[in-house]
Amino acid sequence: AQSVAQPEDQVNVAEGNPLTVKCTYSVSGNPYLFWYVQYPNRGLQFLLKYITGDNLVKGSYGFEAEFNKSQTSFHLKKPSALVSDSALYFCAFVGERDDKIIFGKGTRLHILP
Amino acid sequence: DTGVSQNPRHKITKRGQNVTFRCDPISEHNRLYWYRQTLGQGPEFLTYFQNEAQLEKSRLLSDRFSAERPKGSFSTLEIQRTEQGDSAMYLCASSSTGNSGNTIYFGEGSWLTVV
Repeated sequence: AQSVAQPEDQVNVAEGNPLTVKCTYSVSGNPYLFWYVQYPNRGLQFLLKYITGDNLVKGSYGFEAEFNKSQTSFHLKKPSALVSDSALYFCAFVGERDDKIIFGKGTRLHILP
Repeated sequence: DTGVSQNPRHKITKRGQNVTFRCDPISEHNRLYWYRQTLGQGPEFLTYFQNEAQLEKSRLLSDRFSAERPKGSFSTLEIQRTEQGDSAMYLCASSSTGNSGNTIYFGEGSWLTVV
């Protein structure tokens, strides 16, 4: 079955340090890959997506992600973390011939002051 | 663009009662999705519409769950004879059609607590 995996339940990073939230995918064909963020008791906010083209995708709030086909990964990155980045992050995909978005289980990001 | 709107934001109900949630999508979006999210998990796809047509409903959790979008605008999700296991956040989302890579935008969710 097609899926995305987020291997870390939680990531802790000191404020000002670079952060990475990992995502790997198992999707046939050319996947459309997404990152969403969820703050406590809120809905999901779109951060960025990879459809085609440049492997490095830039998104909201200074986040970026790199599509790596050989490693089937789409890790989320930010050069300098802020305390306000603390939230739940979801990697997701839409299959090439599908219409619905399927989510990973999420990674909780803690930015330590 | 006022975003995806969901009502009510919170609902507490007794086991066995019926509940209905409403979703108003972004106005020009003709696709509408329903998801369920329990604590510590990612959103789980339930069903979706293109205009008024329900294109997939096999993921609805049981026959107690039903969704409608009668005029292709707002949608309702009804849960009949609620059970404690139905306690979760129910998320609505919308997108435009034409490309599977179109961004899907979510509402703030409707929290259901069954006591």
